[in-house]
Amino acid sequence: QLQLQESGPGLVKPSETLSLTCTVSGGSTGSNDYYWDWIRQPPGKGLEWIGSIYYSGNTYYNPSLRSRVTISVDTSKSQFSLKLSSVTAADTAVYYCARHGYTWPVNWNFDLWGRGTLVTVSS
Amino acid sequence: DIQMTQSPSTLSASVGDRVTITCRASQSINTWLAWYQQKPGRAPNLLIYKASSLESGVPSRFRGSGSGTEFTLTISSLQPDDFATYYCQQYESYSPLTFGGGTKVEIK
Repeated sequence: QLQLQESGPGLVKPSETLSLTCTVSGGSTGSNDYYWDWIRQPPGKGLEWIGSIYYSGNTYYNPSLRSRVTISVDTSKSQFSLKLSSVTAADTAVYYCARHGYTWPVNWNFDLWGRGTLVTVSS
Repeated sequence: DIQMTQSPSTLSASVGDRVTITCRASQSINTWLAWYQQKPGRAPNLLIYKASSLESGVPSRFRGSGSGTEFTLTISSLQPDDFATYYCQQYESYSPLTFGGGTKVEIK
């Protein structure tokens, strides 16, 4: 059964770079059937899509975060990663990794999610 | 961006009630809409895709409808396990993919 698991520091200092990794178990980020996503949720608030990556390295980013975001994929390790630079307290959130299907727009909904990891931005 | 507006933001209901949640898009999204259920401390779970298609394993008491700019999620008979927050998401445009603000279904 395919599962996603986020990992990374739970505390990041302001102005530094947030780095998270999502490991795909029971499957591979090398699949040509899916895009791999990062989505975040500030405490008590709604969901915000950060961006997506395909196994080939093709990416889509939320324009509101594009200048600070890099998503990369390592198919040999079945992992994909998020880097968010110049973080502030507003970036404090639960960060989820997820996936959606390849064909736009037919299956660009999120059918599998990780459990999420809380990242707090504080000095 | 396509803005997604859900109403109400909070809904109080009893077990057995019929519950309806509305999601409005700022422009037409055809039927490219999904609904998710989220319980406290858990990741969202896909319920409905393409506005009205039930995800595998989701109880049939959940029904989605609508097209264009107005959509509804109906729970025909609310069960104890259904008290949660529900989100809609549009995927007509990926610049960016956007969610509604959420509707919390509380026990009356």
